[in-house]
Amino acid sequence: DQQVKQNSPSLSVQEGRISILNCDYTNSMFDYFLWYKKYPAEGPTFLISISSIKDKNEDGRFTVFLNKSAKHLSLHIVPSQPGDSAVYFCAASVDNAGNMLTFGGGTRLMVKP
Amino acid sequence: GAGVSQSPRYKVAKRGQDVALRCDPISGHVSLFWYQQALGQGPEFLTYFQNEAQLDKSGLPSDRFFAERPEGSVSTLKIQRTQQEDSAVYLCASSLEDPRGEKLFFGSGTQLSVL
Repeated sequence: DQQVKQNSPSLSVQEGRISILNCDYTNSMFDYFLWYKKYPAEGPTFLISISSIKDKNEDGRFTVFLNKSAKHLSLHIVPSQPGDSAVYFCAASVDNAGNMLTFGGGTRLMVKP
Repeated sequence: GAGVSQSPRYKVAKRGQDVALRCDPISGHVSLFWYQQALGQGPEFLTYFQNEAQLDKSGLPSDRFFAERPEGSVSTLKIQRTQQEDSAVYLCASSLEDPRGEKLFFGSGTQLSVL
């Protein structure tokens, strides 16, 4: 039973446009959500996070939206750049503990110049 | 180097063989995690150390998997009698003290292929 799902395995976007990556979860105990970015042959790196007490968190070109009632979060990248091309993982946790992270399967984003 | 270092980068094992995967965390990092990432999947938690103490091993899939960190620095993940389903990338992550998700630094992983 996958508790965190990223239903789109890949997404292609034109440079300068908005990229929207989606994530759904089933466990209502999750109270902290994170996005990680992964380039080939490298480990994931933390990108942005959001606590369940918020519905939006913004950091530069990256914004994460949380809809608790729908158990859905999304990552918006505006404007998208070719360097954003990577695999993006959504992760959820209880108490934001590293040993309680549950990851989604990832979405490969390709930003075309 | 300043990052989390994992070795070997690639490992091919015959079914039934024992393997040992090494993780060198960032110097001074107290917390250390192991994750398993199967092809096309996200990482799955295996085990967590704080210094030399293994605080959580709930993610280890079977008793063939064993992890240690005897001096609170380098960690080794050992898999005995490897099976084909053990084929995956094994990721190590460390953090200075705070084990929160934002503070984790991941290594590049060891890709294990069991034939």
